Amino acid sequence: NAGVMQNPRHLVRRRGQEARLRCSPMKGHSHVYWYRQLPEEGLKFMVYLQKENIIDESGMPKERFSAEFPKEGPSILRIQQVVRGDSAAYFCASSPEGPQFFGPGTRLTVL
Amino acid sequence: AQSVTQLDSQVPVFEEAPVELRCNYSSSVSVYLFWYVQYPNQGLQLLLKYLSGSTLVKGINGFEAEFNKSQTSFHLRKPSVHISDTAEYFCAVMELTGGGNKLTFGTGTQLKVEL
Repeated sequence: NAGVMQNPRHLVRRRGQEARLRCSPMKGHSHVYWYRQLPEEGLKFMVYLQKENIIDESGMPKERFSAEFPKEGPSILRIQQVVRGDSAAYFCASSPEGPQFFGPGTRLTVL
Repeated sequence: AQSVTQLDSQVPVFEEAPVELRCNYSSSVSVYLFWYVQYPNQGLQLLLKYLSGSTLVKGINGFEAEFNKSQTSFHLRKPSVHISDTAEYFCAVMELTGGGNKLTFGTGTQLKVEL
């Protein structure tokens, strides 16, 4: 049973470009969570999704950020018009219920 | 809203010595508690969890933690550390509100094991 998969592992974007981060949950897991880790900080919750539904987006910035978890395919975290402050590690986690299992993360660098 | 405090940002310790990493939380409702470990440039790996039952929980790699409800603490311990335990350790809580299972993390404790 493969773990949570994220790609790409590293992503470099210039200011103003779009970043798309993908997350494939563990088999059988229907809950997906996105977290952001800024340098030298803990992880901050961004959004919680189930298939085709956003359940809790209280941690998402109001502008430029969006997330989806379609019926088929991976969950996508999209950041439009990236700025340098978006540089961080973005982690996806999945769970059936209870404990969450984390992917290896996508490290986004905005030049 | 819940919060998690990890008072020690860095803990240096010699190999084979015992270690305790402290975690305190605040919440107005019942919680689940977790410890995760993060090795450099990797994701988080679940070390152990407290959901209910015995307040002393054992995890992987010889770690254990004790839930103390009166002190709202969930300290992580290991009786004898190894060089390979060098990593960042995160305490996290999940509030049982029925509105989702998001985790709130502490800021992490960097454990550095020295020879």
